[in-house]
Amino acid sequence: EAGVTQFPSHSVIEKGQTVTLRCDPISGHDNLYWYRRVMGKEIKFLLHFVKESKQDESGMPNNRFLAERTGGTYSTLKVQPAELEDSGVYFCASSLRGGSYNSPLHFGNGTRLTVT
Amino acid sequence: EDKVVQSPLSLVVHEGDTVTLNCSYEVTNFRSLLWYKQEKKAPTFLFMLTSSGIEKKSGRLSSILDKKELFSILNITATQTGDSAVYLCAVECWDDKIIFGKGTRLHILP
Repeated sequence: EAGVTQFPSHSVIEKGQTVTLRCDPISGHDNLYWYRRVMGKEIKFLLHFVKESKQDESGMPNNRFLAERTGGTYSTLKVQPAELEDSGVYFCASSLRGGSYNSPLHFGNGTRLTVT
Repeated sequence: EDKVVQSPLSLVVHEGDTVTLNCSYEVTNFRSLLWYKQEKKAPTFLFMLTSSGIEKKSGRLSSILDKKELFSILNITATQTGDSAVYLCAVECWDDKIIFGKGTRLHILP
């Protein structure tokens, strides 16, 4: 089966610009998660979709971040306007059912975002 | 605040050595503890632990959980250069939230 794919793999933008990250989960996986790893720190949860609905967006840092999952398939994460502290690796993960207790998370390779 | 702490942060050993990676946690609604291996890109799932004292094994890797002392260890015996990676420990909570540690960067010298 094809894994979780993320696009782009690397993006370099200037402060104030907009970037949109895309995640295609494994086909049939209703649960989609976004995580972020800022350099030197741990991977942190951003939000969780179940199909097209936001189950939990408590990890979203501020209103410059907007995630969507139209139709319950792929998801996008838009950062507008980007700030320097947004630099990091953004991971997407999907699972068949909620949480690894029922099915393990499958991670994408991540998008490395650099804001200059 | 919920947290997961891994130690050491970095480890360099020679091929053939045995290593033990540590993970301690403080969370309010623990459901399971997860270990992932991250090489160049995506973290890949290794183990899920839910009960104390039951060792999970996969080849040269094994892991055990102590829910009383709130920690887990990941053992790798007869290490190989292909074991070089960042090993991530994470705790899953009953609200499906997953809290990650910073990871242990393991480097195996030939």
